[in-house]
Amino acid sequence: KAGVTQTPRYLIKTRGQQVTLSCSPISGHRSVSWYQQTPGQGLQFLFEYFSETQRNKGNFPGRFSGRQFSNSRSEMNVSTLELGDSALYLCASSLGVRTEAFFGQGTRLTVV
Amino acid sequence: EDQVTQSPEALRLQEGESSSLNCSYTVSGLRGLFWYRQDPGKGPEFLFTLYSAGEEKEKERLKATLTKKESFLHITAPKPEDSATYLCAVPLIYGGSQGNLIFGKGTKLSVKP
Repeated sequence: KAGVTQTPRYLIKTRGQQVTLSCSPISGHRSVSWYQQTPGQGLQFLFEYFSETQRNKGNFPGRFSGRQFSNSRSEMNVSTLELGDSALYLCASSLGVRTEAFFGQGTRLTVV
Repeated sequence: EDQVTQSPEALRLQEGESSSLNCSYTVSGLRGLFWYRQDPGKGPEFLFTLYSAGEEKEKERLKATLTKKESFLHITAPKPEDSATYLCAVPLIYGGSQGNLIFGKGTKLSVKP
């Protein structure tokens, strides 16, 4: 059974640009969540999608957005990139309530 | 405010030297606690889910236990390949989904041969 797939694995962008990251969940999983991981803050929840609807959102500015498609694949977008957005962005999928979340390998975003 | 605190931040062990990692949490109405292992540059790898006080789960040299206020990850006779950062997480209360987790900062474990 294929795991969670994130693309691309690495990205380098310039301040002010925008970026789109992609996540394909485990087959059959309808919940997809996104997290930002930095050395100082650790893993922080960005948002969660279930059946194409955003169910929950973390404490991040509106520059961070996402969406989910009918096949459960998800994308997240960051506009007007700042240096502080450099991080490992992780996607996780789960079946839903009372089930564990499985993570992808992440996308390493560097903003210069 | 919901919080997850892990200790110690870092732990250095000799191969074979058993120890425990701690995860304490303050959430109103626990809906499960998760342990993950993370290797450098990779995503967290799921280890255990615990749902109620007194519950225990085991996998190879690892055993996770849960009380009403904290969880322990016991490592018995560790090997160098157990070196990693161990993370614990609890679900946020609203939404009721296991997809929105609060993570502790992790314990970085180093096991020397």
